[in-house]
Amino acid sequence: NAGVMQNPRHLVRRRGQEARLRCSPMKGHSHVYWYRQLPEEGLKFMVYLQKENIIDESGMPKERFSAEFPKEGPSILRIQQVVRGDSAAYFCASSLQGRTEAFFGQGTRLTVV
Amino acid sequence: QQQVKQSPQSLIVQKGGISIINCAYENTAFDYFPWYQQFPGKGPALLIAIRPDVSEKKEGRFTISFNKSAKQFSLHIMDSQPGDSATYFCAAAASRGGADGLTFGKGTHLIIQP
Repeated sequence: NAGVMQNPRHLVRRRGQEARLRCSPMKGHSHVYWYRQLPEEGLKFMVYLQKENIIDESGMPKERFSAEFPKEGPSILRIQQVVRGDSAAYFCASSLQGRTEAFFGQGTRLTVV
Repeated sequence: QQQVKQSPQSLIVQKGGISIINCAYENTAFDYFPWYQQFPGKGPALLIAIRPDVSEKKEGRFTISFNKSAKQFSLHIMDSQPGDSATYFCAAAASRGGADGLTFGKGTHLIIQP
């Protein structure tokens, strides 16, 4: 049973470009969470999604960031017009039922140059 | 406002000793308290979790102690080993009502000296 799969593991983007981060939840999991981790910081909640629905996006920046979890395929975290401050590790987690045990992927490390 | 405060920021323990990491929370709606272990370059891995209906939970060398009235919980690692060297995060979530994900502490860098 594969764990939470994130790709790419590392992503380099120039300022102003778009970044797309993908997350495939564990088999059977229908709840996906995205978190951002800055160096020497804990993880910050960004968004909680179920299939085709955004349940809670209270942690998402108001501009440039969006997330989706379509009926088919992985969840996507999209960052438009990236800036240097977007450089961080982005982690996806999934759970079988919302708000219980969440299992994390290996993360995508985004570097904006 | 930081809802989960974790201490210490870093900790050095001799091999075979007991590592203790503490967390305090503010939101009384929290009712699920997991601990995660993270190695450099890896994602956080769920270590152990507790709900407030019990005051202690033990899994192997790892024990969570929970004090509901003080709104505090702690992780104890018995017989600490060099392989336990990692960053540990406490977290909290409200499983009833709101749809928030986990709220994490800032982490503790644990080093076990051989």
